[in-house]
Amino acid sequence: KAGVTQTPRYLIKTRGQQVTLSCSPISGHRSVSWYQQTPGQGLQFLFEYFSETQRNKGNFPGRFSGRQFSNSRSEMNVSTLELGDSALYLCASSLAAGGAGTEAFFGQGTRLTVV
Amino acid sequence: ELKVEQNPLFLSMQEGKNYTIYCNYSTTSDRLYWYRQDPGKSLESLFVLLSNGAVKQEGRLMASLDTKARLSTLHITAAVHDLSATYFCAVDKDSNYQLIWGAGTKLIIKP
Repeated sequence: KAGVTQTPRYLIKTRGQQVTLSCSPISGHRSVSWYQQTPGQGLQFLFEYFSETQRNKGNFPGRFSGRQFSNSRSEMNVSTLELGDSALYLCASSLAAGGAGTEAFFGQGTRLTVV
Repeated sequence: ELKVEQNPLFLSMQEGKNYTIYCNYSTTSDRLYWYRQDPGKSLESLFVLLSNGAVKQEGRLMASLDTKARLSTLHITAAVHDLSATYFCAVDKDSNYQLIWGAGTKLIIKP
């Protein structure tokens, strides 16, 4: 069973540019969440999508956006990149059902470096 | 605002010893997660605890949840070097996959 796939794995961008990250969840999973991990702030929730709808959004500026497609794949976009956006971006997928379906599985992450 | 506090943040211990990592959270929640992260790697799911009194065990790790005390513990029994990693607890805000994370406990187990 394939796991959560994130592409690209590594990315270097210049300040002011924009970037799009992709996440393919485990087959059958309908919930995709995104997190930012930095040494200073730790793990922070960005947003969560279920059936193409954003259900929750964390405390991030509007430069951070996302979407989910009908096949549950998700993308997140960061516009006007700042140095502070350098981080490991992780996505997690879940069945979004009760019991064992609650478990959230993470991809390998995309390491974004803004120079 | 939901806050999640882990302690200790750093733990160095000898192989064969037992220890416990604590995870306190500030508001009610019925989902608590434990994850492991190795350096430069992603997050590996260890346990999902869904109800008060839940206890789960996998190998040398055992997790428990006390929703009344808003406390979860991760107990390590007879630690081995391979358990060296950073361990995170996370609480699901409003049971909708918006995980609020503890700062992580960096565990170093010396041979």
